[in-house]
Amino acid sequence: IAGITQAPTSQILAAGRRMTLRCTQDMRHNAMYWYRQDLGLGLRLIHYSNTAGTTGKGEVPDGYSVSRANTDDFPLTLASAVPSQTSVYFCASSDSSGPGELFFGEGSRLTVL
Amino acid sequence: GQNIDQPTEMTATEGAIVQINCTYQTSGFNGLFWYQQHAGEAPTFLSYNVLDGLEEKGRFSSFLSRSKGYSYLLLKELQMKDSASYLCASSDSNYQLIWGAGTKLIIKP
Repeated sequence: IAGITQAPTSQILAAGRRMTLRCTQDMRHNAMYWYRQDLGLGLRLIHYSNTAGTTGKGEVPDGYSVSRANTDDFPLTLASAVPSQTSVYFCASSDSSGPGELFFGEGSRLTVL
Repeated sequence: GQNIDQPTEMTATEGAIVQINCTYQTSGFNGLFWYQQHAGEAPTFLSYNVLDGLEEKGRFSSFLSRSKGYSYLLLKELQMKDSASYLCASSDSNYQLIWGAGTKLIIKP
């Protein structure tokens, strides 16, 4: 069982380019999340989805979009990357939208030049 | 506003005991989580407290005082593999997690 798979693991991107970070889970969890992690800051929620077909904005949604066409996949798109989006991005899932253990992917390290 | 405070870095000796503190202030409260994150890896779940008191799980214990907005993670019989960052997170009224910046724990032989 893979759990949560993210791709790519690392990417260098020119500013202004479009980028999609992929996230797939095989645990049939209803809730999925995208976080960014920056040095000296806590994990910050970008977008979330409580169930397939629904999405919501987190703390730092600007410049990012998500979709949840099915239970397993939750891609994060940067429409036009900017240097401030340089970060490590973590996808996570849980089996409920209430308080519960989060299962994280291994992260995607994105550098925008 | 919502805020989580925890020390930036702590150092302890192999075999010893260390306590990592966390204070929180969130809009509503639905529990306090601790996660462990080794350098370059994903966070992994350690504990969840929603009621006051101490929860023990092997070498790790977690304590919560809701009236004080305070929690701590206690690590006993420290091992070198415990060198990691420990993340405190509070679940607010919307069940969203508010995360602290993490405490980097350095274990010395």
